[in-house]
Amino acid sequence: GAVVSQHPSRVICKSGTSVKIECRSLDFQATTMFWYRQFPKKSLMLMATSNEGSKATYEQGVEKDKFLINHASLTLSTLTVTSAHPEDSSFYICSAQRTGGDLYGYTFGSGTRLTVV
Amino acid sequence: GENVEQHPSTLSVQEGDSAVIKCTYSDSASNYFPWYKQELGKGPQLIIDIRSNVGEKKDQRIAVTLNKTAKHFSLHITETQPEDSAVYFCAASIKAAGNKLTFGGGTRVLVKP
Repeated sequence: GAVVSQHPSRVICKSGTSVKIECRSLDFQATTMFWYRQFPKKSLMLMATSNEGSKATYEQGVEKDKFLINHASLTLSTLTVTSAHPEDSSFYICSAQRTGGDLYGYTFGSGTRLTVV
Repeated sequence: GENVEQHPSTLSVQEGDSAVIKCTYSDSASNYFPWYKQELGKGPQLIIDIRSNVGEKKDQRIAVTLNKTAKHFSLHITETQPEDSAVYFCAASIKAAGNKLTFGGGTRVLVKP
């Protein structure tokens, strides 16, 4: 079945540094990937839609210069949290949509717990 | 944009009993309604989904019903087991809106042995 690998699973960084999170579709190609943020005991909030070979589309209120998204290949999208601050601490989750497959075939990664100290 | 409301926020049931979670959506153009199970520290896992041209779908102990007129859909889990304890999310998607998923607020289910 479709598998999405997300790395790292946990990361602790110092305030002011940048952190990169990778989302890979292991056994399928994904033209579209989605990035979500989840606060403790809260729901998933869509941050941006990542399309291979083009600029990401960000949801209202999400700073595109702070959350850099790159989708350079059909199997990899990255989210870079730039100049991280403690308020960026959260659970980040990606999902991938199979290219040419079921338009509703979303597969989620296992998430990345970011802690900024 | 789409708004999805989910109730209840917490649900405690005895092992063997049934659990029902309800969601309502706002945009009548929504046409795909998945349900996800999320365990602590993990990503959501799809457990069942339904499309707007179907009223009900079953998969062993899990079933989902959809009422397009009333714009609500429900998850039914029968014969609950302790391993069913988790957070469950409903979601809705509109093809015309880039297939983005809008999630409900989640239901924390506890199955007591």
